[in-house]
Amino acid sequence: DSGVTQTPKHLITATGQRVTLRCSPRSGDLSVYWYQQSLDQGLQFLIQYYNGEERAKGNILERFSAQQFPDLHSELNLSSLELGDSALYFCASSLGTGSGNDEQYFGPGTRLTVT
Amino acid sequence: DQQVKQNSPSLSVQEGRISILNCDYTNSMFDYFLWYKKYPAEGPTFLISISSIKDKNEDGRFTVFLNKSAKHLSLHIVPSQPGDSAVYFCAASAGAQKLVFGQGTRLTINP
Repeated sequence: DSGVTQTPKHLITATGQRVTLRCSPRSGDLSVYWYQQSLDQGLQFLIQYYNGEERAKGNILERFSAQQFPDLHSELNLSSLELGDSALYFCASSLGTGSGNDEQYFGPGTRLTVT
Repeated sequence: DQQVKQNSPSLSVQEGRISILNCDYTNSMFDYFLWYKKYPAEGPTFLISISSIKDKNEDGRFTVFLNKSAKHLSLHIVPSQPGDSAVYFCAASAGAQKLVFGQGTRLTINP
């Protein structure tokens, strides 16, 4: 158990809909990261938050947005969903020191299926 | 542009032998490299890492080797055990903690 929790575990929704994925970081971690893993692909970095502020952005679509709340939990909002958005979405957290050994701990993921 | 590549989608090794997983990268700004292990229905878990100032880091049965001139990273597992069967991801970062992952290699340890 990494200490990172994600809800829900599974989500099935229709094209055009909007969903919210939730992540609670490990106790003491200030940074939260979101990744997308599509079928047979590696993990693609989407976005990072540190102590409530956006710190880094990756290949995140404009239809997607995220935020980190004062209690440090984070939400990833996916809107106008398309079939290609079906994927595993992972959240990770770290202390957020910015150094190379600031290891990220991953949650179990949310499997999103868009039909 | 795939900055981190794992060219072998799968690898099968006999129990007790050495498993060698390979990873190549293109971005010379990467200064920290990590290996993650992932079981089905779980998130990736950190395994071992290496800074660009080193060429080898060892932790029990796991050793990571870094060849900066070749932009090549490898993970050696010896001896391989059935519980090592998983998908292994190589990842790299350039200081700001944005990890770039390879596509993963599925390792199967045969009894």
